[in-house]
Amino acid sequence: AQSVTQLDSQVPVFEEAPVELRCNYSSSVSVYLFWYVQYPNQGLQLLLKYLSGSTLVKGINGFEAEFNKSQTSFHLRKPSVHISDTAEYFCAVSDLGAGNMLTFGGGTRLMVKP
Amino acid sequence: ETGVTQTPRHLVMGMTNKKSLKCEQHLGHNAMYWYKQSAKKPLELMFVYSLEERVENNSVPSRFSPECPNSSHLFLHLHTLQPEDSALYLCASSRGLAGGTTGELFFGEGSRLTVL
Repeated sequence: AQSVTQLDSQVPVFEEAPVELRCNYSSSVSVYLFWYVQYPNQGLQLLLKYLSGSTLVKGINGFEAEFNKSQTSFHLRKPSVHISDTAEYFCAVSDLGAGNMLTFGGGTRLMVKP
Repeated sequence: ETGVTQTPRHLVMGMTNKKSLKCEQHLGHNAMYWYKQSAKKPLELMFVYSLEERVENNSVPSRFSPECPNSSHLFLHLHTLQPEDSALYLCASSRGLAGGTTGELFFGEGSRLTVL
């Protein structure tokens, strides 16, 4: 069985500051990794994904994430956040070959302050 | 416009009512999903349909009954719910299901359910 842990339920940060949202996973097999974002009163949309290849993955809105197999982590980063980045961020994992059967973390609420 | 439309967006019902949530996808996908999003809890996968066949049922109480009449529509029929069933119910669709077709899930905006 696989699981995803997002250690921080809330991350407050000032506008234009850098941010890192942490994600750790556990799985007995190789995995695919995802970050989704949920803006207020909306559904989830894909921010970025790691399937294979380069461990540094770039996504939309200036976000990037790095896959670290030895630490079983997939932390999300942005060098300079905007007010509009205020949202809930979800890390998700699926076993290789399990297709779209995603397991989600508990989410991290990013609160960007002026 | 996300390509996945859920109705109603908000629903308030009593414990003895029967209601249904509807999901429609306009993306030509062949897999559809129901997720439950409760406060302070991870997203819970409830049901998965691939090519209109149910392939996953994660021990969901029988008071939730899914229906997938075709690859574009998915329903969640609700009856005799409990207050703890109050949550945001998210529908999603994808191009493929398993075997290396991992890709993006496209979510609707959700149906906010309140059970009194």
